[in-house]
Amino acid sequence: DQQVKQNSPSLSVQEGRISILNCDYTNSMFDYFLWYKKYPAEGPTFLISISSIKDKNEDGRFTVFLNKSAKHLSLHIVPSQPGDSAVYFCAAIKYGNKLVFGAGTILRVKS
Amino acid sequence: DAGVIQSPRHEVTEMGQEVTLRCKPISGHNSLFWYRQTMMRGLELLIYFNNNVPIDDSGMPEDRFSAKMPNASFSTLKIQPSEPRDSAVYFCATRGRRSPEAFFGQGTRLTVV
Repeated sequence: DQQVKQNSPSLSVQEGRISILNCDYTNSMFDYFLWYKKYPAEGPTFLISISSIKDKNEDGRFTVFLNKSAKHLSLHIVPSQPGDSAVYFCAAIKYGNKLVFGAGTILRVKS
Repeated sequence: DAGVIQSPRHEVTEMGQEVTLRCKPISGHNSLFWYRQTMMRGLELLIYFNNNVPIDDSGMPEDRFSAKMPNASFSTLKIQPSEPRDSAVYFCATRGRRSPEAFFGQGTRLTVV
């Protein structure tokens, strides 16, 4: 039962342009949604989160949008930099419960 | 704080051998998760603990896998006997009471030959 889905295995973007990573979920009871970034040979690192009662959260170049009616969230990175090249995981949690991850999207930012 | 500490970083073992992976959580964190990363399934939750108590082990693939958290400072994931299909990167992550985000260790890359 895949509650969190990232349907795009990879994304390639030119440096300076916008990167948009997408995520869909099935459980309307989730309280928080999170994005993690992972470099090779390292553990995932927390990037940004959004509460289910909000529809947007911004932190520098990173903005997460939540569309509850569509059960969809997205991560926007503007402007994209070569150092942003990594695997991005979408995750969701019902508070006090387990953190569920999507399969990840590989982002490549070309210089 | 040094973050979540996992050991060993790399483990190569022969099929049939017992493997024990270790995790030291961030001090004060009360939730601990064991994940396995594979190409096919991404980050797969194996088991998680709240306040040292196993809450959900439905992700543990078989009886060959077991996990313990004897105290708030230490957890182990054991595979006995190990099989080649267990080869993956295993991550431990911990979370504090007041935040939704979990913090990950560097992972243990397990290779079973």
